[in-house]
Order: sequence, then C-alpha cells, then structure tokens
Amino acid sequence: NAGVTQTPKFQVLKTGQSMTLQCAQDMNHNSMYWYRQDPGMGLRLIYYSASEGTTDKGEVPNGYNVSRLNKREFSLRLESAAPSQTSVYFCASEKAGGAGGEQYFGPGTRLTVT
Amino acid sequence: AQSVSQHNHHVILSEAASLELGCNYSYGGTVNLFWYVQYPGQHLQLLLKYFSGDPLVKGIKGFEAEFIKSKFSFNLRKPSVQWSDTAEYFCAVKLYNTNAGKSTFGDGTTLTVKP
Repeated sequence: NAGVTQTPKFQVLKTGQSMTLQCAQDMNHNSMYWYRQDPGMGLRLIYYSASEGTTDKGEVPNGYNVSRLNKREFSLRLESAAPSQTSVYFCASEKAGGAGGEQYFGPGTRLTVT
Repeated sequence: AQSVSQHNHHVILSEAASLELGCNYSYGGTVNLFWYVQYPGQHLQLLLKYFSGDPLVKGIKGFEAEFIKSKFSFNLRKPSVQWSDTAEYFCAVKLYNTNAGKSTFGDGTTLTVKP
C-alpha cells in the first residue's frame, strides 16, 4: 500500500516548456486534489476532482490543466511554464463519507522554472 | 463560501512550554475539522480530526483539539512541546458527510520550538 505517489520529485524547466506531473493513489478514494505551496502562502488549491470523470477549478487554476485519467490517477499539466509557477506541488486524495474527509498527501514535486 | 482562519502565523516556544494554536472557520452547517502537520521538507500528514461526538479530540504525539461549536473554533493544544514538534500546522474544514465539494485549508502556523 503505497498511498499517494507523485513523479517526478524534482524538475527544472525553462520558461515556455511544458510538462506533466503525475499522481496516483491506491486507496480507492474518489476525490483527488492538486495544490501548490509557496513560502508564506500556505496551500493553494489548483484543481480538484470529486470523482472519476469530473474536475473543477480551485483558487489558482490559470496556467494549468488536469486530467482524471481513472479513479487512481490525476495528472497536472503545465502547457507553457512561467517563473511564477516555481513552487512545490502536492497531490492529495481524500477519504469520503461522514467520518472521512481527511486528505492523504503525496511527497510533492519541487518545480523550478528558469 | 467556507473559510478557515489561523490567527498565529509564527509561534516560537521553548521546550516544555504549552501550545495552543487558534483556528476559526466560517460555515453554519455541520463540518468535519482537521489539523495537519508538515515537518520540514515533508508533506502534510493528518494530526487529528473531528467529525462527531466528544468535542475534545486526541491525536498523535500528544496533541489534542477542542471543537467549540458556538465559537466556530477548533484550537490545537499540547501541554508540553518538544523540539521535534517544530513544523507547520494547518487547520482544515470540510462539509460533513458529502462526497462533493472540497476541503478548505487555513494559511498555516509555523511553530518553532527552541531546545
């Protein structure tokens, strides 16, 4: 049981390059999330997916796209990277139900855009 | 829209001091409440949660939190902190018993414990 896995762990991009961050969970959770974390700004939600086949924008979606490929996988794509997207990106999945709602986080991807 | 407010951005304590971190949320319905901890260089992990029943919730590593419905608060406490508690702490809220919608996180409180 690996929980939530993310690849890659580190990435350096040049401005204008594209890349996809991968996330997978093996806990059979319906909901999955992408956050970015910047110093002094807490966690900011980029996109989330309440179930397979649905995605919704969070508070900072500009410059990103997502794909909920199946129940396990939720990828985040940067089509044309910008220095402002330098950040640590966390994927999370969420246990549903009345007694649930807690999120399980992946180890993060540290992205630098030069 | 629901929101979460953490009053202290940075708290500095000496070892063995008592800790209380404030968290208030704005939502009139029934909610699940959470505290997460992020140790330096690591990802967030669940510290404790409240969804119903006893408003005093105990979590890992000696932490506890009290849900006060009338004050919309869910403060985190620990009687005696250790150097290893140095971390960032996040409060979060989610609507109770729903598979839709998202959780809302506070901005986090950085705790530094001096040895």
